[in-house]
Amino acid sequence: EVQLVQSGAEVKKPGESLTISCKGSGYTFSIYWIGWVRQMPGKGLEWMGIMNPGDSDTRYSPSFQGQVTISADKSISTVYLHWSSLNVSDTAMYYCARGATFDVWGQGTMVTVSS
Amino acid sequence: QSALTQPASVSASPGQSITISCTGTSSDVGTYNLVSWYQQHPGRAPKLMIFEVNKRPSGVSTRFSGSKSGNTASLTISALQAEDEADYYCCSYAGIRVFGGGTKVTVL
Repeated sequence: EVQLVQSGAEVKKPGESLTISCKGSGYTFSIYWIGWVRQMPGKGLEWMGIMNPGDSDTRYSPSFQGQVTISADKSISTVYLHWSSLNVSDTAMYYCARGATFDVWGQGTMVTVSS
Repeated sequence: QSALTQPASVSASPGQSITISCTGTSSDVGTYNLVSWYQQHPGRAPKLMIFEVNKRPSGVSTRFSGSKSGNTASLTISALQAEDEADYYCCSYAGIRVFGGGTKVTVL
């Protein structure tokens, strides 16, 4: 079964760093791009960026460029989303999804940033 | 890139058909046949329903269909069922990708 399994919920303070993960299984990990999507509470989906785990080619939405970093470790079929300094406004559900069409989605990781 | 424009809500009775519009520009929807649609039930991850304007993934009901005319893409749900009540999002390639604001579908 093709799956993307994300790391668990996080509660952080403003200014802290955070990395969440997305592990693929059931398919050849390196040949599908993996993207990240933000959903703030009660709001819609926002496309953040996407990475090709095979060659680390990465594209970011202008809205998220410089705010987050996407990386991957293809040896363990995992893509990461990293913040160096969280803001309260980063509180949201974050989803990873596979391929250019986002045909498979992770279950989501809830990130709560509060002082 | 600006978000694609969708109606905030659409409602209909069971058995009826609805169409959700997704309006972009000549830089996204109008140029690329790379529009996809996602269904999201409350508390759940989104699900791909349509890709490349009008293609259905395996397992998606034939009641869901997609089309495009100019800068506007559309998702049609025929023979509406209670289980179709959800939020629906369009997404288009625009160099990167951009989502629509989402449409809440209510089955009366």
